[in-house]
Amino acid sequence: NFMLTQPHSVSESPGKTVTISCTGISGNIASNYVQWFQQRPGSAPTTVIFEDRQRPSGVPDRFSGSVDYSSNSASLTISGLKPEDEAEYFCQSYDNNNVVFGGGTKLTVL
Amino acid sequence: QVQLVQSGAELKKPGASVKVSCQTSGYTFTSSGINWARRAPGQGLEWMGWISGYNGDTKYAQKFQDRVIMTTDKSTKTAYMELRSLTSDDTAMYYCAKSGSYFLIFDFWAQGTLVTVSS
Repeated sequence: NFMLTQPHSVSESPGKTVTISCTGISGNIASNYVQWFQQRPGSAPTTVIFEDRQRPSGVPDRFSGSVDYSSNSASLTISGLKPEDEAEYFCQSYDNNNVVFGGGTKLTVL
Repeated sequence: QVQLVQSGAELKKPGASVKVSCQTSGYTFTSSGINWARRAPGQGLEWMGWISGYNGDTKYAQKFQDRVIMTTDKSTKTAYMELRSLTSDDTAMYYCAKSGSYFLIFDFWAQGTLVTVSS
């Protein structure tokens, strides 16, 4: 079964850039679109990237998504980190008409 | 603007059923679908299934196939998710989310509904 794996946690300082990876296991991540969701404690998830690299309106261009076919992974990059970016981030894709979520990465902005 | 609003928190006993609603506005209900997912305490996100806003077709995750029913009411632009035979493992926040360009892409999320299963 296709799975997505993410680092459990990352941390970085305000103003810096951080990249969160999402690696496909037992499947080709390039076969289907990858989405990224932000979830702050006590709040619902919100979509920050859809279709690998598209940003919903209202999401700042500090957020960007990419897919690296050679490593079978997707990445979410957040530049110019702000304290409000501290949250948990999930990647999501699908395979054989089933949704797959990554386990989530907790981002701490020190 | 697109909005999805879910019904309020529920407290249920083991063995009971729960039905959560997801009222939509700001887009053409029949041109998209609704995904349902949940997040249990200390766990990650888990997909439960999808329903078409156009014709009510469903696709359920295998784990929930035997005890979930998803429905829609086009007249009120509302989707429903009913989960039966509840156990304490079903205690979680339940979310609906509008489908994007493909039915298994989530674009807009609702605020969530807390379902607590306890005797």
